[in-house]
Order: sequence, then structure tokens, then C-alpha cells
Amino acid sequence: EAGVAQSPRYKIIEKRQSVAFWCNPISGHATLYWYQQILGQGPKLLIQFQNNGVVDDSQLPKDRFSAERLKGVDSTLKIQPAKLEDSAVYLCASSSITSGSEQYFGPGTRLTVT
Amino acid sequence: AQSVTQPDIHITVSEGASLELRCNYSYGATPYLFWYVQSPGQGLQLLLKYFSGDTLVQGIKGFEAEFKRSQSSFNLRKPSVHWSDAAEYFCAVVSSSGSARQLTFGSGTQLTVLP
Repeated sequence: EAGVAQSPRYKIIEKRQSVAFWCNPISGHATLYWYQQILGQGPKLLIQFQNNGVVDDSQLPKDRFSAERLKGVDSTLKIQPAKLEDSAVYLCASSSITSGSEQYFGPGTRLTVT
Repeated sequence: AQSVTQPDIHITVSEGASLELRCNYSYGATPYLFWYVQSPGQGLQLLLKYFSGDTLVQGIKGFEAEFKRSQSSFNLRKPSVHWSDAAEYFCAVVSSSGSARQLTFGSGTQLTVLP
């Protein structure tokens, strides 16, 4: 079974530029999560999708961050414009009804904003 | 609101020594608890989980954890550490918010293993 795929693995941009991250969850997993992990901290949930609907985006900075999961499979997270404090690892995870609360994580995208 | 505290930012042990990583949680209901490990440049891998039943749970790579409700703790243990165990370890608790079930993570404990 293939795991959660993310791309790119690394990205360096200047502040005020835009960037997009892509995630493909494990096949059949209805729930998809995006987390932000700042250096030295645990992951923090940004947004949770159930199929193509948003379940919770209360911690997503909506003035600059957006995310979509149009067909209920893969997802894109965008930052526009980026700030220095957005430098972090962005992790995608997925889960299924049968996996219950267990989430499976991708390798992450390390973003550096200069 | 739910929270997870990992009091030790960094722990150093010698290879072959025993290990205990501490985790305390704050959650009103019966918690679902997890331990994840993160190696450099990698995503998070699940070590073990506790939902209910036996309070001592076994995980992968020889790890175990004990749920103690009276102490609100879920400490991770390993009797003999291997050099490959050097990584960052995260404790997490599942909480429910409406229809959403979400993970709240601690800030992590970095483990260094000395030869």
C-alpha cells in the first residue's frame, strides 16, 4: 500500500512570494489533514477535510493560506503572500473510517522563506 | 481545551540503556493517546496507541507505554535503546470538535543516543 505522497520536499522562496504544496493521501482515505510544524514544536493542525468538504479550518490563517480538495482525493495548500514566520515543515496526513483516529503522515515539505 | 505536555525537550542516553519519555495530557473525557517518532527529514511514524483496555500497550521497535489515568500520563519506555532510536518523539491526544476528530501534539522530546 502506497503511503501519503507530498511534493515538493523542499522549497525556498522570498517573502511576499507565493507557494503551493501538493498532497496525495492513501487510496481510499476520506479524511485529509494539513499540519504546520515549526522548528522545535509539535505539528499544529491547519485544516481538515472529509472527502471534498472542510471539517475544520479554524487555525488556518485565511488571509494568506488557502487549501482545496476538489475531487475528494488529492489536495493543495497555498500560501500567498508568504511571510518569514511561515518557514516550517508542512505535513499532510490521511485517515480512513476503519483506521479510526490513526493518521498516516507524509514526509512533509520543508519551506524556507527568506 | 485539550493539551499535551512533554516536559523533557532533550534526553541523552547511552546505547543499551533504558529509556523513559514523559507525557502528560489534559483532556476531560477518556483520551485516545498516541506516540509518534520523527527521524530527520521524515514524516511521523506511529509507534503505539491507547484507546481502551489494558493500560500497558506494546508498539513497534520494542517500545511500550503505560496509561495512568490518576497521573494523566502516558509515558513511553524501552528497556534497551539502539543507536537507530535517535529521533524526535511526539505524544499526542485525540480530541473531538463537532464532527472532527483531531490530534493535539506535544512539543516533542529529542533523543540522542551515545555509542
